[in-house]
Amino acid sequence: DVKVTQSSRYLVKRTGEKVFLECVQDMDHENMFWYRQDPGLGLRLIYFSYDVKMKEKGDIPEGYSVSREKKERFSLILESASTNQTSMYLCASIGAYEQYFGPGTRLTVT
Amino acid sequence: SQQGEEDPQALSIQEGENATMNCSYKTSINNLQWYRQNSGRGLVHLILIRSNEREKHSGRLRVTLDTSKKSSSLLITASRAADTASYFCATEGDSSYKLIFGSGTRLLVRP
Repeated sequence: DVKVTQSSRYLVKRTGEKVFLECVQDMDHENMFWYRQDPGLGLRLIYFSYDVKMKEKGDIPEGYSVSREKKERFSLILESASTNQTSMYLCASIGAYEQYFGPGTRLTVT
Repeated sequence: SQQGEEDPQALSIQEGENATMNCSYKTSINNLQWYRQNSGRGLVHLILIRSNEREKHSGRLRVTLDTSKKSSSLLITASRAADTASYFCATEGDSSYKLIFGSGTRLLVRP
């Protein structure tokens, strides 16, 4: 079974802190994604990566950056966390067509 | 940008009843997928239907696709309390490996 893991289920950070969210997949997938999910807004794509060191902005990249140094790991970085970044963050990788999701990280920025 | 829009936003049914959720989308597609999300968890892929298919079954799930109306429906038959979750449709974005998700239908199955 494909496994996508995320470093934390729950995270509480203060405004202005630098935040790292880690995602690891074990299926040698090339494409990986970071979404945020907010009530009423569905899933919105922040960034995706189609290969090591390759990345592309999604729909809402502002305030975020990403890193993909190894194929299995895709990190989301909040350079200076703000309260409007309080959300559920979901990482995914893609097989043939379907995306495999991690369990999510619920981030609260106070 | 949202491609798929689910309807209804919320649905409450009794265990044993059927649940039907609908999805409408705007542009032409190669395939449409349905996902399920249990509360506070990641999404799980349920089923994919290709644009040249009209109906597909998987266990208690039945998906239909009407490309002329740009709509799809997900039917869960003989629902169980464990089916309580949010259900999302997803279509391709501007490339085949990017998906655009709707805002989902929250299904509550009452025991």
